[in-house]
Amino acid sequence: GQQVMQIPQYQHVQEGEDFTTYCNSSTTLSNIQWYKQRPGGHPVFLIQLVKSGEVKKQKRLTFQFGEAKKNSSLHITATQTTDVGTYFCAVCFDSGGYQKVTFGIGTKLQVIP
Amino acid sequence: DTGVSQDPRHKITKRGQNVTFRCDPISEHNRLYWYRQTLGQGPEFLTYFQNEAQLEKSRLLSDRFSAERPKGSFSTLEIQRTEQGDSAMYLCASSSSRLAGVTGELFFGEGSRLTVL
Repeated sequence: GQQVMQIPQYQHVQEGEDFTTYCNSSTTLSNIQWYKQRPGGHPVFLIQLVKSGEVKKQKRLTFQFGEAKKNSSLHITATQTTDVGTYFCAVCFDSGGYQKVTFGIGTKLQVIP
Repeated sequence: DTGVSQDPRHKITKRGQNVTFRCDPISEHNRLYWYRQTLGQGPEFLTYFQNEAQLEKSRLLSDRFSAERPKGSFSTLEIQRTEQGDSAMYLCASSSSRLAGVTGELFFGEGSRLTVL
């Protein structure tokens, strides 16, 4: 069956350091999404990647989609305390004509001021 | 408020009781998802509707779980004979399909937190 692995599960960084989380799928994906969930909140959409090798930037966040469309990464440059939260990748499979969205376990980011 | 709304926000029940959660998606969204999330885990897929059709139900779900979306608008998730292991946050999300093969952004509600005593 379709599986998604996300690493690391936890990351503590000093404010100002960089942070990266990785997402890997056992099968080729239609597209991939990234979400952020603040403590006590619900997941909020960040970005969607569709094309092989795609790179998108949002201010200090850089998202990449692998050439084989099986992996993705989220990189945050110079973390701030507002970056605290859990970052989830959500892999999207074309399953019998509809889009099934499966979330990774998430990477919980703590930023030490 | 035009976002996804869920009701109730919190539910405490005794083991063996039935509970029902309601989700009102964003009005123009034809896709609706139910997920379950426990502490330290990612949202776990439960079921998916496109309009009123339930297209997939997770094999992880027992027959105690049922979901409906009778008119392609709001949805309900019912859990019968609740067990302590059902305690979790139940999240509803909606999206719209614009491009074939491209998943739309999922808009999540605040969730319904279930505690089974």
